[in-house]
Parts: sequence; C-alpha cells; structure tokens
Amino acid sequence: SQTIHQWPATLVQPVGSPLSLECTVEGTSNPNLYWYRQAAGRGLQLLFYSVGIGQISSEVPQNLSASRPQDRQFILSSKKLLLSDSGFYLCAWSRNTGELFFGEGSRLTVL
Amino acid sequence: GENVEQHPSTLSVQEGDSAVIKCTYSDSASNYFPWYKQELGKRPQLIIDIRSNVGEKKDQRIAVTLNKTAKHFSLHITETQPEDSAVYFCAASNGASKIIFGSGTRLSIRP
Repeated sequence: SQTIHQWPATLVQPVGSPLSLECTVEGTSNPNLYWYRQAAGRGLQLLFYSVGIGQISSEVPQNLSASRPQDRQFILSSKKLLLSDSGFYLCAWSRNTGELFFGEGSRLTVL
Repeated sequence: GENVEQHPSTLSVQEGDSAVIKCTYSDSASNYFPWYKQELGKRPQLIIDIRSNVGEKKDQRIAVTLNKTAKHFSLHITETQPEDSAVYFCAASNGASKIIFGSGTRLSIRP
C-alpha cells in the first residue's frame, strides 16, 4: 500500500531563518506531488506541484521554493522566513486519477 | 488561472436536517471536482468526486451535483449526524495535475 510521510510535524523558527520541510511517498512510482498551505481558519492554498523529477510548477510567487531531487521526495524550502509564512503545510500525492492523499502536515510558527 | 469560490464559510444545521455547500469555478476547462472532509486535527480526506461527463453522483447520504453551464457544483448531505461535523473543501482540476481548493466550510451539527 502507499504511504506518505512529511516532517517535521511542528517547528518554531525565528524570522529570517531558513526552512526545510521534507515529504516522501512509498509504494508508488512517478506520483504527482503537491505542497499546500493552510492558514488558520482558511482554505488550502496550492504552493507548488510536480509531475516528475525536476519539474516544479509554482503557483504563488513568494520566498518559498520547492525541489524534487528524487521520484518520491518533495522538499519545501525558504532561505529567509517571514512572519506571514506561519501556517499548516500539507504535502500530498496523487495518481492521474485525481484523488489527493495528504500527509500528516507540518505546523510552522515563525516568531 | 483557476479560482474556486466556496460558500457558506460556516454552516450550522440541526441533526437530521440536510446541509448544502456550494462552489463556483472560473476555468471552463476544469473537468474534475472532488470534495474533501477535514476533521479537527486530521488531514483532509476525499469523500466524493464528480467528473464533467456526469451531472450528479450519490454515495449513501452524500451527493454532488454539477452544472457545467453555470460553472458551479454543490455538496448535499442528508440526514446529518454528529460525525458530519468538520470542515469541507471543494476543489477543481483541469486534469493537468493542478488542483485548486475552495476556502472551506465549517459544518456544525446541532444535537
């Protein structure tokens, strides 16, 4: 069966510090991969998605970036965090059928 | 790009009554419309979806309708139960891997 893991689950970072969130999928090959952000009480904002290694589509221009160094690995990064980067980050994968399978989420607090 | 609007943002219904959540989308090329349920502290999970070649789909107490001409789709929950309390998200996809979510509806079921 397929599983998705993302880490860390929670982190508290000072403004201006770097960020790295990692997501891996097991049990499938060539999945579509996604990063969403969920601000408190708000919807799921698509940040990045990838249909293959090295192929990244950015939806929201900002100080975040994503990389896909391996088929089932998706990384969300920032060189310098802003207060507005606080939120709940969700990694997800899908096959071409469309259904998204979400990870457990990473709660980021920027102070 | 695609934009998905969802309303209401909050909804309270008496247990046993029906609940309706509505969404509109902007991209006429969208052809896949899933609905996700997110319980408190948990990841979103797919509850039902519909593709553009059908106008209605039902699964027990849950149904989704799609009006492609008007570019809107709705979630209907009948005979609501306490376990239906959650945040519900609609989404739209044009089949090219990009999946855009609405802002969510917090549904509360009154005993």
